[in-house]
Amino acid sequence: SSELTQDPAVSVALGQTARITCQGDSLRRYYATWYQQRPGQAPVVVFFDKTNRPSGIPDRFSGSTSGNTASLTITGARAEDEADYYCQSRDSTTNHLLFGGGTKLTVL
Amino acid sequence: QVQLQESGPGLVKISGTLSLTCAVSGDSISSSFWWSWVRQPPGKGLEWVGEIFHSGTTNYKSSLKSRVTISVDKFKNQFSLEMTSVTAADTAVYYCAREEGHCSGGECYVKLGYWGQGTLVTVSS
Repeated sequence: SSELTQDPAVSVALGQTARITCQGDSLRRYYATWYQQRPGQAPVVVFFDKTNRPSGIPDRFSGSTSGNTASLTITGARAEDEADYYCQSRDSTTNHLLFGGGTKLTVL
Repeated sequence: QVQLQESGPGLVKISGTLSLTCAVSGDSISSSFWWSWVRQPPGKGLEWVGEIFHSGTTNYKSSLKSRVTISVDKFKNQFSLEMTSVTAADTAVYYCAREEGHCSGGECYVKLGYWGQGTLVTVSS
């Protein structure tokens, strides 16, 4: 399959841990890149590769992969983390970039 | 500081052609990166449209391939998107972005590290 599947919505209490998952066969070859998108803004990378976080991204954002499932974990969620999150990888057969459908994170 | 800026008409007639340009500054379009177009219909998720390398090599999403052409202008340091026979379903914010990727020991990643601000294109009669 050349799709990436995400849960449409996840909610987390302020200060607690949120986990957003992404499932797809392409993740067996390409690590997920995770984007945060706030309303009216372009997406921003928050985690990529096996262990990389861009400069300026808080260390409460972390990522992991197991088999065909990638996870983005936000430890100690803050109000400003409320946003849409997208995973992305590449289909190694077609070379097409793939995006998950997105997860809307609500911080309660 | 790498910056990308989309430009083009905000309104296109149904069955017409959508044409957008992405001006790149702070980097050469001839560098070792691929350059992508991504779109986002109002209230929906991100959809990759296609990519180009400075050599002119392209890769398009299968479902759009028959209608999309991406080209590069090295002299103007920009790349462009053309989409023909548009319908209301092509109404979206269109983003251009720079790809970065790496493979090591069979493990790879690719990310869109720099994005334009996006431009809304509405397809209407």
